[in-house]
Amino acid sequence: EADIYQTPRYLVIGTGKKITLECSQTMGHDKMYWYQQDPGMELHLIHYSYGVNSTEKGDLSSESTVSRIRTEHFPLTLESARPSHTSQYLCASRQTGGQGGEAFFGQGTRLTVV
Amino acid sequence: AQSVTQLGSHVSVSEGALVLLRCNYSSSVPPYLFWYVQYPNQGLQLLLKYTTGATLVKGINGFEAEFKKSETSFHLTKPSAHMSDAAEYFCAVSDQRYSSASKIIFGSGTRLSIRP
Repeated sequence: EADIYQTPRYLVIGTGKKITLECSQTMGHDKMYWYQQDPGMELHLIHYSYGVNSTEKGDLSSESTVSRIRTEHFPLTLESARPSHTSQYLCASRQTGGQGGEAFFGQGTRLTVV
Repeated sequence: AQSVTQLGSHVSVSEGALVLLRCNYSSSVPPYLFWYVQYPNQGLQLLLKYTTGATLVKGINGFEAEFKKSETSFHLTKPSAHMSDAAEYFCAVSDQRYSSASKIIFGSGTRLSIRP
C-alpha cells in the first residue's frame, strides 16, 4: 500500500494569493515528482527531485517552485496564483534501484483559482 | 530516449466484452513497463508491471498484459469488462538503470467506457 499523502485535496483560492501544496511520503523514496493534469488529459511533469537539496524543472514550464529539504517532504509553492493555474496536481515518489521501480501516487490536489 | 504511445484516446466496450488497450514503447535499453489506472478525482494506481522474466504479467482486477519485445508492445487486456472498469488508463516506461537519471515516462492515456 502506497504511503504518499497530498494536502489539501481540494482548494479554491483567489487570484494573487500565495499557496503551498503539500506532499509527504513515508517510504523513504529518493525520487519525488510533481505532475500537472487537466481533467481527462495526460500528465505533464513540472518538477522532480532526485534527493535532498536536489530539484529540477520538468518538461512543462511552470511558474511554481519546489523544495526538498527532507527526504519525505516535497512541497510545491505558487507565489501568486492565477486562473491559468487551475488544474489537478499529482505528487509521486519512487525508489532508485527498487524492485520494479514503479512510481507511487498521492490522491492529488484539485486547485481552482478564481 | 524513451517514449510511450497509447493508440486510441477513448475505447468503448460492452459489459462482458473483451477489453484491449494498446501501448507501444520505444527504449534503447531494456525497459520496465507499467499500466496505471486513474478513477475520477484520484491519483494513479498501479495495475501491473513488467520487470524481467515472464512476459505475461497478471495484475489486479483481472487485468493482464504481455510484453512483446519484437513488437515493442505492452497491450493491456481483460477477458470480460465490468462497469467498474470505466476509468482512465496510462501506460508508462522506465529504463532499468539503477541511477538517479532514470525517469518514468507516461503515455497520453486511454479513457475506457463500458456500455451496459
